[in-house]
Amino acid sequence: KNEVEQSPQNLTAQEGEFITINCSYSVGISALHWLQQHPGGGIVSLFMLSSGKKKHGRLIATINIQEKHSSLHITASHPRDSAVYICAVGGNEKLTFGTGTRLTIIP
Amino acid sequence: ETGVTQSPTHLIKTRGQQVTLRCSSQSGHNTVSWYQQALGQGPQFIFQYYREEENGRGNFPPRFSGLQFPNYSSELNVNALELDDSALYLCASSLGPHSWEKLFFGSGTQLSVL
Repeated sequence: KNEVEQSPQNLTAQEGEFITINCSYSVGISALHWLQQHPGGGIVSLFMLSSGKKKHGRLIATINIQEKHSSLHITASHPRDSAVYICAVGGNEKLTFGTGTRLTIIP
Repeated sequence: ETGVTQSPTHLIKTRGQQVTLRCSSQSGHNTVSWYQQALGQGPQFIFQYYREEENGRGNFPPRFSGLQFPNYSSELNVNALELDDSALYLCASSLGPHSWEKLFFGSGTQLSVL
């Protein structure tokens, strides 16, 4: 079993829909990161969470430490949100990454 | 724009050769981590350098080595290339070595080993 599991692996939605991507992990962590990777490889850090909830624009990230689970939500989705979303968890230093969720938003 | 640059963007090598990939971190970031990302997979941690010393290593053989320089640049060296080394190699810089630091990624070097 992988230390970090993401679901779904692929998600296609219509523009404007509310999107939820899930991340479950099996180890104790100090931090959880949500990252966005566009075609061509570049990765952008969206959030770092150690507890609770964070919001930035149309993106919301939550984490439940007891359940070892985090969600990334996108409100009013737009085609420019199409990308691979990756969850990464870390103890003290090393990060372990999920395999990503490929999101496609159709106009 | 993350302020982290990697070179080259693409590279083709043959099995058994050696390769050096380069990363220029954000000024002031004394930590750089290197990752290998195979097609369709998440990044895998190779190693981290903090203040020019190796500060953690993933499950990669010794033929993967690195250097970090005082001018915020770093290198990933891979000796005796194997076909399975074909992947996207990413570097990420941060202010410190801890997992809760925000990461700034380069766009990666796509390495193909033939």
